[in-house]
Amino acid sequence: DIVMTQSPDSLALSLGERATINCKSSQTVLSTSSNNHYLAWYQQKPGQPPKLLIYWASTRASGVPARFSGSGSGTDFTLTIDSLQAEDVAVYYCQQFFNTPHFGGGTKVEI
Amino acid sequence: QLQLQESGPRLVKPSETLSLNCTVSGVSISGSSDYWGWIRQPPGKGLEWIGSIYYTGITNYNPSLWRRVTMSVDTSENQLSLKLSSVTAADTAIYYCARRNYDKVAFDMWGQGTKVTVSS
Repeated sequence: DIVMTQSPDSLALSLGERATINCKSSQTVLSTSSNNHYLAWYQQKPGQPPKLLIYWASTRASGVPARFSGSGSGTDFTLTIDSLQAEDVAVYYCQQFFNTPHFGGGTKVEI
Repeated sequence: QLQLQESGPRLVKPSETLSLNCTVSGVSISGSSDYWGWIRQPPGKGLEWIGSIYYTGITNYNPSLWRRVTMSVDTSENQLSLKLSSVTAADTAIYYCARRNYDKVAFDMWGQGTKVTVSS
């Protein structure tokens, strides 16, 4: 199984600051057949189901604000939230779909 | 518009079988290349993938749960089902069903989830 390790566990920032969340996979999640990384990012607000933010490591899902961006390759990935807004308070999870799907442990973002 | 709705008993006794359904509306389960998954979240903890199923009945289960998990699909009712046997308190969680989008290779649509408590 590919294990996903997120850091930090939590992050407290001010409005307008940049949030950087890291996700490391124990093996590559790059599909050589599609040349895409099977790595997704989700946002989960209290009392709500997770919402897909980013897929293929760097493609924003429909309707996701441009301040959210995903980057990385191989085994190291980053979710960046530029200019943090109050509504971005949530727990963020990475997930790999290269083989048995596993989620990272989550990163709680607070203002 | 695609919607998923989980349903089933909210309270299950230890050693019994947890049974949940997920009704999909807005799209035919058998009309796409997507898989459908179950994910759970214990109180205050992270997300755990339970398994995924294709409309033909092909399944993939989490190795840590496979001995106790059975998933099925009813295309006539456009419904998924999850059974988890021999439950313990550790199976107390919010259970979500979700669509694993074929192209995006990610869970792009989720149900609201249903909380199941295992207790005598």
